[in-house]
Amino acid sequence: SQQGEEDPQALSIQEGENATMNCSYKTSINNLQWYRQNSGRGLVHLILIRSNEREKHSGRLRVTLDTSKKSSSLLITASRAADTASYFCATALGSWGKLQFGAGTQVVVTP
Amino acid sequence: GAGVSQSPSNKVTEKGKDVELRCDPISGHTALYWYRQSLGQGLEFLIYFQGNSAPDKSGLPSDRFSAERTGGSVSTLTIQRTQQEDSAVYLCASSYPDRVENEQYFGPGTRLTVT
Repeated sequence: SQQGEEDPQALSIQEGENATMNCSYKTSINNLQWYRQNSGRGLVHLILIRSNEREKHSGRLRVTLDTSKKSSSLLITASRAADTASYFCATALGSWGKLQFGAGTQVVVTP
Repeated sequence: GAGVSQSPSNKVTEKGKDVELRCDPISGHTALYWYRQSLGQGLEFLIYFQGNSAPDKSGLPSDRFSAERTGGSVSTLTIQRTQQEDSAVYLCASSYPDRVENEQYFGPGTRLTVT
């Protein structure tokens, strides 16, 4: 079964709006990462948040982590058409950082 | 610098045939991972290499799947006697060794279609 579960499965917004997606996981983690995938091919790392961090920013991205609820959120502010992609959370387990991915949130940003 | 490369980008094969998928990681990345992504799904972990050894093969779905890595660099994923359920995108990633903060760099994937 998936370690991470994203919510919603799909999100459609207009340019300029914010997009928020959530990820829940089941076991203790070392860190949680968010990746973006365009057109069903290679993934691109967006941001990493450690288990002892609660919030992190990178450009238009804001990630929160609540280890007590085993959940994380990714906020994309002022979205652009180029943000159209699938977004995956991945939790790092174990000593060598094995990643387990959720099923992803498909985001469509319309001009 | 060069990123992770995979070949072929697309492979169509008949059921029952063997296929080999190749991954060239980023130079200096001793950790290498194979994942499988079925249509509309998340990534399913297959195998992890540290150097040439594979300390975690727990994700390989059956004994028809095997992988090797030589010279601490190129890796080959082999699927024997392919089945239709093997159809998926196979993604390879690499990262720096022994880092818990394990940002992985992905290749573009190989789309395998078994007819």
